[in-house]
Amino acid sequence: AQSVTQLDSQVPVFEEAPVELRCNYSSSVSVYLFWYVQYPNQGLQLLLKYLSGSTLVKGINGFEAEFNKSQTSFHLRKPSVHISDTAEYFCAVSGPSSNTGKLIFGQGTTLQVKP
Amino acid sequence: DAGITQSPRHKVTETGTPVTLRCHQTENHRYMYWYRQDPGHGLRLIHYSYGVKDTDKGEVSDGYSVSRSKTEDFLLTLESATSSQTSVYFCAITDSYNEQFFGPGTRLTVL
Repeated sequence: AQSVTQLDSQVPVFEEAPVELRCNYSSSVSVYLFWYVQYPNQGLQLLLKYLSGSTLVKGINGFEAEFNKSQTSFHLRKPSVHISDTAEYFCAVSGPSSNTGKLIFGQGTTLQVKP
Repeated sequence: DAGITQSPRHKVTETGTPVTLRCHQTENHRYMYWYRQDPGHGLRLIHYSYGVKDTDKGEVSDGYSVSRSKTEDFLLTLESATSSQTSVYFCAITDSYNEQFFGPGTRLTVL
């Protein structure tokens, strides 16, 4: 069975500082990996995804993530955050073998950007 | 924006009453999903559909049923609502790359 663990429930950071949100997954088969963002009182929006190929994935709003198969991690990074990045971030996994698109989500990480 | 709407957006109901939430898509996607979001749990899959009249259970399906009589509509029913079903419910659809698009959510409160 697949599972996802987001290692930090809350990450406070000052504006213009770098940030890393950590995500580890467990799966016995190959995976697709995703990061979603949820702004207050809104639905989820895809930030980036890893399906195959290059392990460094670039997404919207200056975010990027690196797929590390040996460490089963998919950490999200941004070199300089803005107040508007304050939101909840979810890591999720699915697999090409499932062919149903079902996603397994982590618990979420709240990013709090302070001025 | 993916064409997904959910109705109602907010609902307050009493324990023991039936509740139906509707998800409507204009994208003609095959797969549709219902998730619930609770603090500390992220999103958890309730049920999903892979075609008209084709549905299957997810991780937290107890107390919920679904129906899909048309490609564009996916209904989630709580036969007899309980306080533990107070949550935010999200509908999602998938395109061919497993990228899910989410609706705006329905906030349900069961008193």
